[in-house]
Amino acid sequence: DTEVTQTPKHLVMGMTNKKSLKCEQHMGHRAMYWYKQKAKKPPELMFVYSYEKLSINESVPSRFSPECPNSSLLNLHLHALQPEDSALYLCASSQDQGASTEAFFGQGTRLTVV
Amino acid sequence: GEDVEQSLFLSVREGDSSVINCTYTDSSSTYLYWYKQEPGAGLQLLTYIFSNMDMKQDQRLTVLLNKKDKHLSLRIADTQTGDSAIYFCAEKYFDDMRFGAGTRLTVKP
Repeated sequence: DTEVTQTPKHLVMGMTNKKSLKCEQHMGHRAMYWYKQKAKKPPELMFVYSYEKLSINESVPSRFSPECPNSSLLNLHLHALQPEDSALYLCASSQDQGASTEAFFGQGTRLTVV
Repeated sequence: GEDVEQSLFLSVREGDSSVINCTYTDSSSTYLYWYKQEPGAGLQLLTYIFSNMDMKQDQRLTVLLNKKDKHLSLRIADTQTGDSAIYFCAEKYFDDMRFGAGTRLTVKP
């Protein structure tokens, strides 16, 4: 099983809404990542969790709040987003953070902020 | 993705070979990856190569690595219409995966 599962696949939310994106993997990976991908652009790293602790926050605005409840789950809580936050949000996992490990991506959540 | 460069477009005929090229700048990268992204979908890991290898073959895919020139290529043999997608070259750099801008492969029947 090399699957990273993200839910929901699509999400439309208003600027005053609170929503959460979910990501799950059962490969025993201890590093999990959130990426943001705008149209026709490569993915950009947002957060890295390593052994359930936040190890990287790439200067992401506080309206994005990550959470790692256990080693298999990664959430991204959204609040008071802006229309420019509309993008494909990708979750990935790897065995650990080291450079020698491959990362598997989920199918993404396509977020539209109206 | 500014440290990993790829050409943006490639168009081939069905049955031909496709070659997608990539250059990277960090010689300390130990693994280099190719991902495929179809419209509206996530990234699918196609293959990867360890930096001490020159070549890796996996069915229709051949990856060539020229470490001296920091050049990576992905060859797809017998390209099919289902191969039409964006292909991202990536290097794992400590905690981050650095991506190229992606090459849009169009396969014409």
